[in-house]
Amino acid sequence: DTEVTQTPKHLVMGMTNKKSLKCEQHMGHRAMYWYKQKAKKPPELMFVYSYEKLSINESVPSRFSPECPNSSLLNLHLHALQPEDSALYLCASSPGGLGEKLFFGSGTQLSVL
Amino acid sequence: DAKTTQPTSMDCAEGRAANLPCNHSTISGNEYVYWYRQIHSQGPQYIIHGLKNNETNEMASLIITEDRKSSTLILPHATLRDTAVYYCIVRVRRNSGNTPLVFGKGTRLSVIA
Repeated sequence: DTEVTQTPKHLVMGMTNKKSLKCEQHMGHRAMYWYKQKAKKPPELMFVYSYEKLSINESVPSRFSPECPNSSLLNLHLHALQPEDSALYLCASSPGGLGEKLFFGSGTQLSVL
Repeated sequence: DAKTTQPTSMDCAEGRAANLPCNHSTISGNEYVYWYRQIHSQGPQYIIHGLKNNETNEMASLIITEDRKSSTLILPHATLRDTAVYYCIVRVRRNSGNTPLVFGKGTRLSVIA
């Protein structure tokens, strides 16, 4: 299994809603990442977990809350988002530490109304 | 990490070789060159990486100049499915762990029938 699976594929939420994005991999990778991508822009790093511990937070607003319950699963909890947070949210994993070859999921397309 | 410069867009005829240039004139001795691509509506996909020697795999070849200030990604026989945004990234590889990928603007390659 060489896939990173993200659910849901699409999500529409209001500014007062609470929702979660889920990412799963079964490749035994020990680093997992969240990226945000606006239309026609490159992906921007948000968070990195290494061995289930948060190692990098790129000054992301607190309305985004990551969680890594185990080495295979990564969540992104969303609360009180703004319309400008609408974007494609990409999850990735890599073998060990912060390895060079990242495997990306297909992303969750988020729309905040 | 060193900054990269890539052309905004390129066209290539189907079946011909696609040569995508990347300038990284401020690259330092311990920085690797990575290439990823992103096909529309998908997550980025790893292609190849190298330090100073030329590299080849089943997807592409990477040619790095002797002074390491520039490189070229070669897709030997481009197909319509190679239409994508191609990202050149330079990244430090450290024994204690690597820095995560930071994407630049990339080159939008259009393969034309």
